[in-house]
Amino acid sequence: KNQVEQSPQSLIILEGKNCTLQCNYTVSPFSNLRWYKQDTGRGPVSLTIMTFSENTKSNGRYTATLDADTKQSSLHITASQLSDSASYICVVSPMQRGSYIPTFGRGTSLIVHP
Amino acid sequence: DAGVTQSPTHLIKTRGQHVTLRCSPISGHKSVSWYQQVLGQGPQFIFQYYEKEERGRGNFPDRFSARQFPNYSSELNVNALLLGDSALYLCASSLGDQRSYEQYFGPGTRLTVT
Repeated sequence: KNQVEQSPQSLIILEGKNCTLQCNYTVSPFSNLRWYKQDTGRGPVSLTIMTFSENTKSNGRYTATLDADTKQSSLHITASQLSDSASYICVVSPMQRGSYIPTFGRGTSLIVHP
Repeated sequence: DAGVTQSPTHLIKTRGQHVTLRCSPISGHKSVSWYQQVLGQGPQFIFQYYEKEERGRGNFPDRFSARQFPNYSSELNVNALLLGDSALYLCASSLGDQRSYEQYFGPGTRLTVT
């Protein structure tokens, strides 16, 4: 069964600090791995997309890394801001012909305090 | 340019009733996917439609059905509602098959079953 496990479940940091969120997956082979930011009560917004051949992707203060050998990805947030408070979700899409079922992690809830 | 829109925003139904949720994709997008997100968890894939054909189906009972119209808008139907169907229902659109294209999520429909 394809699984995506995220850690930590929740994280509290002070404004201006950096943090790293983890994603371990069993989906293999996979087409791409995505990180989303989801504000409470809103739809997810894409942060980064990486194919299996990429090992890093940046989007402003967000940097995602991918190690396909260990099946791990991380999302690093630099110089956190209050607006970074949200849930961060890792999604892995399988590489298979025909139907397509992406696997979502449960998310890491990040709270940034002033 | 309008993003993905969903209606209604909120909905309250009683057990056993039927519900229809609607989604309008971003103009030019031909793929629509539906997700169920229970409070505190990541979204779970329900359906993907591309060019009006079902391209993927998640592990949901037959009470869940969907369709895509010629203008690429979509409806999600749920029959015989159960308390466990209470969730945020998200719609996402993409230019093509979401394995290769960026997905854009709508704000969701909050369904409460009493």
